[in-house]
Amino acid sequence: AQKITQTQPGMFVQEKEAVTLDCTYDTSDPSYGLFWYKQPSSGEMIFLIYQGSYDQQNATEGRYSLNFQKARKSANLVISASQLGDSAMYFCAMRPNFGNEKLTFGTGTRLTIIP
Amino acid sequence: KAGVTQTPRYLIKTRGQQVTLSCSPISGHRSVSWYQQTPGQGLQFLFEYFSETQRNKGNFPGRFSGRQFSNSRSEMNVSTLELGDSALYLCASSPGVAKVNEKLFFGSGTQLSVL
Repeated sequence: AQKITQTQPGMFVQEKEAVTLDCTYDTSDPSYGLFWYKQPSSGEMIFLIYQGSYDQQNATEGRYSLNFQKARKSANLVISASQLGDSAMYFCAMRPNFGNEKLTFGTGTRLTIIP
Repeated sequence: KAGVTQTPRYLIKTRGQQVTLSCSPISGHRSVSWYQQTPGQGLQFLFEYFSETQRNKGNFPGRFSGRQFSNSRSEMNVSTLELGDSALYLCASSPGVAKVNEKLFFGSGTQLSVL
């Protein structure tokens, strides 16, 4: 079974600063995918970024980058130049690489951007 | 392209009643997954449907059921409601069977309150 741990229940960051949201995972599967989702107050989960366990480079998507350290089983999300609209819940999730498997989510981190 | 549509947005029921939630996936998407989100348990996987067949099921009692129609629309039903069923129910769709790197597209959810 997979387990995702997000140890920061809440974070406050000044606007325009960079922020790192922590995510560690536990799995015995040799191949897997890692995701980050954002959930604003509207409730909809928005996909941000994906990292495959065998990808050689860390994933980047605009202001989002993933600091993937496979040996430490961590997949931290880095948001550069934070904006007020980044205030939301952020979830780390994982899916193993064999068929018919669900996406398992962490408990989330509530990020608040301060003007 | 329209996103994932969930109806109704809010629902209030009393204990013992039953409820049906609806989800229309993105056009062309054939896989639909359902998640329950509560403050205490986080996001818990309910089930996944592909081409009208249930492919995966989470650890929920038999009171929770679902189905998918030939147009990929999905419904989930909860019978004999309990107070603990109060939650945000999220539906997500994807083009095909969930491969390791396949991202899910979520709706805004149905907020169910059981009194």
